[in-house]
Amino acid sequence: DVKVTQSSRYLVKRTGEKVFLECVQDMDHENMFWYRQDPGLGLRLIYFSYDVKMKEKGDIPEGYSVSREKKERFSLILESASTNQTSMYLCASSLLAGGSYNEQFFGPGTRLTVL
Amino acid sequence: KNEVEQSPQNLTAQEGEFITINCSYSVGISALHWLQQHPGGGIVSLFMLSSGKKKHGRLIATINIQEKHSSLHITASHPRDSAVYICAASDSGAGSYQLTFGKGTKLSVIP
Repeated sequence: DVKVTQSSRYLVKRTGEKVFLECVQDMDHENMFWYRQDPGLGLRLIYFSYDVKMKEKGDIPEGYSVSREKKERFSLILESASTNQTSMYLCASSLLAGGSYNEQFFGPGTRLTVL
Repeated sequence: KNEVEQSPQNLTAQEGEFITINCSYSVGISALHWLQQHPGGGIVSLFMLSSGKKKHGRLIATINIQEKHSSLHITASHPRDSAVYICAASDSGAGSYQLTFGKGTKLSVIP
C-alpha cells in the first residue's frame, strides 16, 4: 500500500514564524502535491513537483515556497506565517503517468493554526 | 480550466436509505475520481473511472461522458458512511496530472 505521511497532525504557530510542513511517500512516486483545504472552498493546489528539484506553482502559491531535494520528500514552507494561512494542509503523491492513471494518494493532513 | 460542481453540498439521510451525490464538469476529462474524507482529515480514493460504471461493496459510481456528469450512489446507507465525498476531474492530455476538485458533499447518516 502507498503510504504518505506528514510530519504533524496539528501545529500551532505565531504570526511571522517560519513554518515547515514535511511530507514523505514510500512508493517512489514522481509527482507530489501540496493542497490547502478550507470550508466552502474545497481543495486548492498550492504547489506541485514532478521531479526532484522541480516545482510548479498551483492556484494559490502566494506566501508559500516548496523544496524537493529527494524524490520521497516534499516540503512546504511558510516564510512568514500569517493568520490567513490557518488551514488544513494536505500532501499527495502520484505516478508520473498522466491522463487516466494519475490517482493521487493523500497524507493524513496537518491542521495549522496561526495565532 | 475545468470547473467541477457537486450537489448537494450537504445531505442528511436515515440509515438504510439510498443516497445519490452528483458531479458535473465543464470540459472533457480523461478520468473522474471519487474521494472520501472522514472527520480528522485523511482522504482516500474510492473510484477512478473514465466510462460506464464501477461497484465496490455498497458504493456504485457511474459516469456519462457525453453529458459530462457522474454520480456516486450508496445503497443501504450506514452511519459509518458519514463523511465528505469529493469528486475530482483529471484533465485530458498527455502529461496532465493535476486534478480539479469539487467543493465536496457532506453526508450525515443518522441511525
